[in-house]
Amino acid sequence: QVQLQQWGAGLLKPSETLSLTCAVYGGPFRGYYWAWIRQPPGKRLEWIAEIHHSGSTTYNPSLKSRVTISMDLSKNQFSLKLNSVTAADTALYYCARGSTAVTTYDYWGQGGLVTVSS
Amino acid sequence: DIVMTQTPLSSPVTLGQEASISCRSSQSLVHIDGHTYLSWLHQRPGQPPRLLIYKISNRFSGVPDRFSGSGAGTDFTLKISRVEADDVGVYYCMQATQFPRTFGQGTKLEIK
Repeated sequence: QVQLQQWGAGLLKPSETLSLTCAVYGGPFRGYYWAWIRQPPGKRLEWIAEIHHSGSTTYNPSLKSRVTISMDLSKNQFSLKLNSVTAADTALYYCARGSTAVTTYDYWGQGGLVTVSS
Repeated sequence: DIVMTQTPLSSPVTLGQEASISCRSSQSLVHIDGHTYLSWLHQRPGQPPRLLIYKISNRFSGVPDRFSGSGAGTDFTLKISRVEADDVGVYYCMQATQFPRTFGQGTKLEIK
């Protein structure tokens, strides 16, 4: 059974850098896309970025200037960094697996709340 | 960006009855490869979303056949027949035809 386990700092001050990591267990890392998606309180899900095991990346233009997605194939992990956070970045952040077989996100991490507050 | 609009935003349903949720996209979701990448997700309170339906009408592994998807182009529907208590939560449509991927605002299914 594929499981995605994510972790990272949950409380940040404005202008700090958000850093999250997601580890993949129970399934291969290669052959899939790995994504970060967030849900601000009371708002719809927002797709942030994804990375293919080949290293190719795609970013949401609305966040691209502040976001970096990366991976560590040796650890079956991928990470998200979001610079210069503001209160608008407060959200529940999810990692997810993208599969070409279903062409959407078929497994999701448990989610982690990140709060930005001074 | 493609805007996904769901209706209704809230759907009170009697146990055993059918629920229907609509999703409309601001532009056609037909990809240049001919496929339509519209999926449906279900999120129970305190849990991450889970995939129900992909490419309009294909049930993901383990999803009961009470869940069915239909539609084409810009208009899509999720039907849940014989609603059970475990079906409560928020349902989202999502498009993966174009970047950035976008989601509907969610439809909350609750039991009357």
